[in-house]
Amino acid sequence: DTGVSQDPRHKITKRGQNVTFRCDPISEHNRLYWYRQTLGQGPEFLTYFQNEAQLEKSRLLSDRFSAERPKGSFSTLEIQRTEQGDSAMYLCASSFPAGSSTDTQYFGPGTRLTVL
Amino acid sequence: KQEVTQIPAALSVPEGENLVLNCSFTDSAIYNLQWFRQDPGKGLTSLLLIQSSQREQTSGRLNASLDKSSGRSTLYIAASQPGDSATYLCAGDDYKLSFGAGTTVTVRA
Repeated sequence: DTGVSQDPRHKITKRGQNVTFRCDPISEHNRLYWYRQTLGQGPEFLTYFQNEAQLEKSRLLSDRFSAERPKGSFSTLEIQRTEQGDSAMYLCASSFPAGSSTDTQYFGPGTRLTVL
Repeated sequence: KQEVTQIPAALSVPEGENLVLNCSFTDSAIYNLQWFRQDPGKGLTSLLLIQSSQREQTSGRLNASLDKSSGRSTLYIAASQPGDSATYLCAGDDYKLSFGAGTTVTVRA
């Protein structure tokens, strides 16, 4: 257990439905990241926050995806009008800022999304 | 954009053998290099982080080296055990990690 939690762990939905995932980072960490991992591949960066500010979004994050981090604590990732291609493991990570004495990213257990 | 490659994609060794996992990256200006372990269907566990000013890191049976000039990192696992069976991923750069596809390791008892 790294201290990063994600909920739910598994989500099965029908195409066209909206889904929302939650990530609770390690409390001392002010950076929070979202990645997506498909079978047999390494994770791909989606977006990251420093405190409540979303500082970068990958072009992988289409306009159907939105992420928030109100009050700089937990974060949510919402996917609207899900498509079968959205099926993947969604991973959240947190860290201290880059340049800190330790900026290791700690990952949560992931949310496995299956779109039927 | 940092491109990270891991070869081989899979490796099977008998228990007790030393493991050598390779990772190569395209941009030598890499900020740091991190090695992770992933068990099937699970999240990632950080094993070692090598900052750009360092050349290696050690933790127990694990040792990772970083050669920025050649664009390579190597993870050594000494005296492998069946519990070491997992996928090992390397990732580089600062806030926006670029991952390789991983090497899946099987240690046979």
